[in-house]
Amino acid sequence: EVQLVQSGAEVKKPGESLRISCKGSGYSFTSYWISWVRQMPGKGLEWMGRIDPSDSYTNYSPSFQGHVTISADKSISTAYLQWSSLKASDTAMYYCARRTRGYMDVWGKGTTVTVSS
Amino acid sequence: EIVLTQSPATLSLSPGERATLSCRASQSVSSYLAWYQQKPGQAPRLLIYDASNRATGIPARFSGSGSGTDFTLTISSLEPEDFAVYYCQQRSNSGTFGQGTKVEIK
Repeated sequence: EVQLVQSGAEVKKPGESLRISCKGSGYSFTSYWISWVRQMPGKGLEWMGRIDPSDSYTNYSPSFQGHVTISADKSISTAYLQWSSLKASDTAMYYCARRTRGYMDVWGKGTTVTVSS
Repeated sequence: EIVLTQSPATLSLSPGERATLSCRASQSVSSYLAWYQQKPGQAPRLLIYDASNRATGIPARFSGSGSGTDFTLTISSLEPEDFAVYYCQQRSNSGTFGQGTKVEIK
């Protein structure tokens, strides 16, 4: 079964760092890009950026460039989304998704990130 | 950056009725548009890609049409499980989403 398994919910304080993960299984991880999508509470979907796990080439939405870092470790079929200094406005659900023909055909269940003092 | 505008924001319909959702792009995206369904507490699910192709396992009551800047998602006869939020997405470099249309029970 093709699936993306995301890491568990996180509760952090402003200024802290964080890395969440997304592990692919059931397919060739290096053959498909991974995208990250943010959904703030009660809001819509926002594409953050994507990575090619075969060579770790990334591109980001202008809205997220410089605020997050997307990376991958192909040896363990895992992609990451990380922050160096969280803000309260980073509170959201974060989804990873496999990109096929430009679209997101397999999604993880999401990781909830709560940033609060 | 390409902006996708969905309408209406909310569609109130009864089971068995036809739903027509619109997505308009700020510039042409050719046929490179997808539709997703999201139910509360769940991840989105790909319904339609390249404007009119149903994804694997998607029922035939879902259909997509359009090209260029104007696209439509049609649900021919609403089932109870179809009440959800629907997003369009274009597959260019940025992969932006529309703001969503909520299909609610009337």
